[in-house]
Amino acid sequence: DAGVIQSPRHEVTEMGQEVTLRCKPISGHDYLFWYRQTMMRGLELLIYFNNNVPIDDSGMPEDRFSAKMPNASFSTLKIQPSEPRDSAVYFCASSLFGGTGNTIYFGEGSWLTVV
Amino acid sequence: GQQVMQIPQYQHVQEGEDFTTYCNSSTTLSNIQWYKQRPGGHPVFLIQLVKSGEVKKQKRLTFQFGEAKKNSSLHITATQTTDVGTYFCAARSSGSARQLTFGSGTQLTVLP
Repeated sequence: DAGVIQSPRHEVTEMGQEVTLRCKPISGHDYLFWYRQTMMRGLELLIYFNNNVPIDDSGMPEDRFSAKMPNASFSTLKIQPSEPRDSAVYFCASSLFGGTGNTIYFGEGSWLTVV
Repeated sequence: GQQVMQIPQYQHVQEGEDFTTYCNSSTTLSNIQWYKQRPGGHPVFLIQLVKSGEVKKQKRLTFQFGEAKKNSSLHITATQTTDVGTYFCAARSSGSARQLTFGSGTQLTVLP
């Protein structure tokens, strides 16, 4: 079975540019999560969706960040404009409520560098 | 919101030595999960503990859930170089059944 698929795997962009990260969750999963990981702050939950609806976006750092989930098989995390402090690994993850102990399955991450 | 403290932050051991990481919460947890992240990789689910005092084993790994369901530990017996990585505990937030709060992780280095 395909796992959570993220793209791009790596991105280097200049400060001020727009960055769009993409995610395809595991088919049938009803929860989708966006996490950010840095050395300083560890693994942070940015936002999560249930059945394509954003439930909690309190972890989104600021207005430069936005996330959408137009359908059950696709989500985006957008940063506009990007700043060097946004450099991090961004993980998308999905889960099935009530299934396999509500395990969260992570994608391989998008490694973002803003210069 | 839910806070989960994990110690130690780093641990270096000689291959063959044992390793333990601890996870503590100020509030009672409904359950706790453990994940492993290899260097350059992504977190991968290891196990979930639900019952008070529960102990589960996976080969050389032993997972425990405290009697009060406020703490948990992961113990690795006779570490191997393949155990290298960061181990995270994760617990349910009190505000949402679906939102996991991750501990800060323990980065394990195994010296050959």
